[in-house]
Amino acid sequence: EAGVTQSPTHLIKTRGQQATLRCSPISGHTSVYWYQQALGLGLQFLLWYDEGEERNRGNFPPRFSGRQFPNYSSELNVNALELEDSALYLCAGQRTASYNEQFFGPGTRLTVL
Amino acid sequence: GNSVTQMEGPVTLSEEAFLTINCTYTATGYPSLFWYVQYPGEGLQLLLKATKADDKGSNKGFEATYRKETTSFHLEKGSVQVSDSAVYFCALSREGSGGSNYKLTFGKGTLLTVNP
Repeated sequence: EAGVTQSPTHLIKTRGQQATLRCSPISGHTSVYWYQQALGLGLQFLLWYDEGEERNRGNFPPRFSGRQFPNYSSELNVNALELEDSALYLCAGQRTASYNEQFFGPGTRLTVL
Repeated sequence: GNSVTQMEGPVTLSEEAFLTINCTYTATGYPSLFWYVQYPGEGLQLLLKATKADDKGSNKGFEATYRKETTSFHLEKGSVQVSDSAVYFCALSREGSGGSNYKLTFGKGTLLTVNP
């Protein structure tokens, strides 16, 4: 079975632009979590989607948003990019909302210039 | 709130040495505990997990025991290899209010370098 995939691998943007990151969980897995791994800040929970709905978000401003599609893939959008948004963004899939084990993708490296 | 504290690295060992990476946590209730590994340029891989007190998680020669009395989940390996060089993250999750929401809370990570 294919693992969690993310695209693109790298993304370079300038301040003020918008970035769109994509994630496909393992086939049949319905929950998707997004995490940010920024230098010096460690791994922080961003968003959780399950069955097409946003269920919870971490301590991030509203310009971080996303959605989950009917096939359970997910998209993370970051508007009005700031330099400190430069980070590795990791997506993790989970079999169901109640199955407590997450499988991570390779990440998207976002660089904001 | 929930938090995880793990020993700061970097940790440098010779091949076949014994490894311990300390991890302690703060959480209400009964969290599940995890160790993840991140190889250079890659995402996170689940190394092992434990879901209740006194459970021992093990994988690829690594072990960790869920100690509720000391709120710890230390990672150990009896004989490390060069290929074990990576960043190791201790993490916890617990059911959020209203059920589910197993967001992970991570420690800051420990860089392990194993020299031949």
